[in-house]
Amino acid sequence: KAGVTQTPRYLIKTRGQQVTLSCSPISGHRSVSWYQQTPGQGLQFLFEYFSETQRNKGNFPGRFSGRQFSNSRSEMNVSTLELGDSALYLCASSLSGANNYGYTFGSGTRLTVV
Amino acid sequence: GENVEQHPSTLSVQEGDSAVIKCTYSDSASNYFPWYKQELGKGPQLIIDIRSNVGEKKDQRIAVTLNKTAKHFSLHITETQPEDSAVYFCAAPTGTASKLTFGTGTRLQVTL
Repeated sequence: KAGVTQTPRYLIKTRGQQVTLSCSPISGHRSVSWYQQTPGQGLQFLFEYFSETQRNKGNFPGRFSGRQFSNSRSEMNVSTLELGDSALYLCASSLSGANNYGYTFGSGTRLTVV
Repeated sequence: GENVEQHPSTLSVQEGDSAVIKCTYSDSASNYFPWYKQELGKGPQLIIDIRSNVGEKKDQRIAVTLNKTAKHFSLHITETQPEDSAVYFCAAPTGTASKLTFGTGTRLQVTL
């Protein structure tokens, strides 16, 4: 079966711009979570969506937002980009929640802010 | 919230030797403990997991042990091979919430 698909793979943006990242989960998976991965902070939880509703949220500023569509595909948006937003953004899908089934991760979107 | 500590941060072993990575967690309500392997340029991949009703689980050369009383769990890799070289992450759920808190990762290098 197809895995988790994230697009684009790479992005270069300028400070102050906004960016939208896309994630298509495994077919049948209703939970989609987003993580930010940096060398200094490791894997940091951004938010989780389940059946089009945000179910959990991490400790990130309001510039980071997301949504989930009826087909479970998800997007995350970062507005007013800062240099510190440069990171690998990972999408993870799960059948119904990571606390019972774990995640299947995509390959990530590498965002560079210049 | 959950706090997961992972040690060591780097581990170098010779091919054929065993490797052990240890994690501790803080939330006693956690009941599911996965391990992920991340290779360069890829997302983390689930390699093994354990639930709180068992103390050990094995899958070929990989095993995980869990001590709920002490709140720690460990990943054991036997007969290591060069393709085992990667970064390994442990994780634990934040209580009953459907999200995982990850350890800081262990970079495993298997040398010939």
